[in-house]
Amino acid sequence: NAGVTQTPKFRILKIGQSMTLQCAQDMNHNYMYWYRQDPGMGLKLIYYSVGAGITDKGEVPNGYNVSRSTTEDFPLRLELAAPSQTSVYFCASSYSGENYGYTFGSGTRLTVV
Amino acid sequence: DQQVKQNSPSLSVQEGRISILNCDYTNSMFDYFLWYKKYPAEGPTFLISISSIKDKNEDGRFTVFLNKSAKHLSLHIVPSQPGDSAVYFCAASPYNTDKLIFGTGTRLQVFP
Repeated sequence: NAGVTQTPKFRILKIGQSMTLQCAQDMNHNYMYWYRQDPGMGLKLIYYSVGAGITDKGEVPNGYNVSRSTTEDFPLRLELAAPSQTSVYFCASSYSGENYGYTFGSGTRLTVV
Repeated sequence: DQQVKQNSPSLSVQEGRISILNCDYTNSMFDYFLWYKKYPAEGPTFLISISSIKDKNEDGRFTVFLNKSAKHLSLHIVPSQPGDSAVYFCAASPYNTDKLIFGTGTRLQVFP
């Protein structure tokens, strides 16, 4: 019963490098989300998806890209890492219409130096 | 432009007493409100929710109150236990969407 799995848990990137944060869920949830948490700032929505092949921007999408080729996977891509992207990233999933059903992964702590 | 605000970054309460965590919002289009609890190195977990058509929802030791006219909600924990020590996030969902807008969190510490 894995729920939402995020990899890696930690990563240090140099400025200008690229990477993909992986997110997978095994609950057959149709909605998936990416949030970032900065100290003292709460969680900000980066991108979300309502189903395979459909993605949309959240509050802070600049510098990121996503894709949703399957129901299970929702990777987040950073193309040119910047220090401002140093944060903890959380992936979540839910059934549509059930806000209380957000299941979060354990997070990826990313540092850009 | 913080639509959901938790003005107290931290709260310290003695075990057995009541913990009251507060949250204010600015968007009148929010129609569903939730509280999440987060331990270090873990993702947030759902705690309790309330629809805008209600003013109170209770689940064991946890009660959420909603005052729509004041755009204010609060989470009451009675009695508080050391295991309740965590960061609590208030979240709100705009009408007819599944997106959540989170507050900045309140760190609760329950001491013996």
